[in-house]
Amino acid sequence: DGGITQSPKYLFRKEGQNVTLSCEQNLNHDAMYWYRQDPGQGLRLIYYSQIVNDFQKGDIAEGYSVSREKKESFPLTVTSAQKNPTAFYLCASSILPTGAFDQPQHFGDGTRLSIL
Amino acid sequence: EDQVTQSPEALRLQEGESSSLNCSYTVSGLRGLFWYRQDPGKGPEFLFTLYSAGEEKEKERLKATLTKKESFLHITAPKPEDSATYLCAGTVSGGYNKLIFGAGTRLAVHP
Repeated sequence: DGGITQSPKYLFRKEGQNVTLSCEQNLNHDAMYWYRQDPGQGLRLIYYSQIVNDFQKGDIAEGYSVSREKKESFPLTVTSAQKNPTAFYLCASSILPTGAFDQPQHFGDGTRLSIL
Repeated sequence: EDQVTQSPEALRLQEGESSSLNCSYTVSGLRGLFWYRQDPGKGPEFLFTLYSAGEEKEKERLKATLTKKESFLHITAPKPEDSATYLCAGTVSGGYNKLIFGAGTRLAVHP
């Protein structure tokens, strides 16, 4: 079955520590995205990538970093510079837009990050 | 500023009681309006895409419609298993499929 796998499901971070969230997809999608979800707010875009070895900042990129060395993988690192990292993190992928229309993004089941 | 607003924030229905969820948007150059369902502790599950005013899509008890300013998700004769948070999102011109999400409507259907 094709899909998006996020791991771990739960993650705890100590003060001053960097942590990395994994996202793997086998849908053969070119584009991948990272979102943050906080209670009562809409999902907010952290980073996105349309092609291997290229990625762009979203609306809330400060304190985060990503890499895209393989088409299937788009890991997110939450650095110690992110002062409020407690949130639900969602990875998504999609095929690239076709003409004037965008294609739906498909999501993994998320990683919940908490501070120790 | 591009914005998507959903109402109500929460909705409680009795089983079989039909209703509608609203998604109003102020985005320039809308390239798609998307509806998702999200269960607690899970990622959003894609439901529908709408591209043009007047377009409608249906799936089981759900029907999504689109006008020039808003979209509705109609739920006909809901069942308890329809309980979830429903998210609406729009993408705008800019070329990279950027989704702008509303905060969602929490739907609870009681037997």
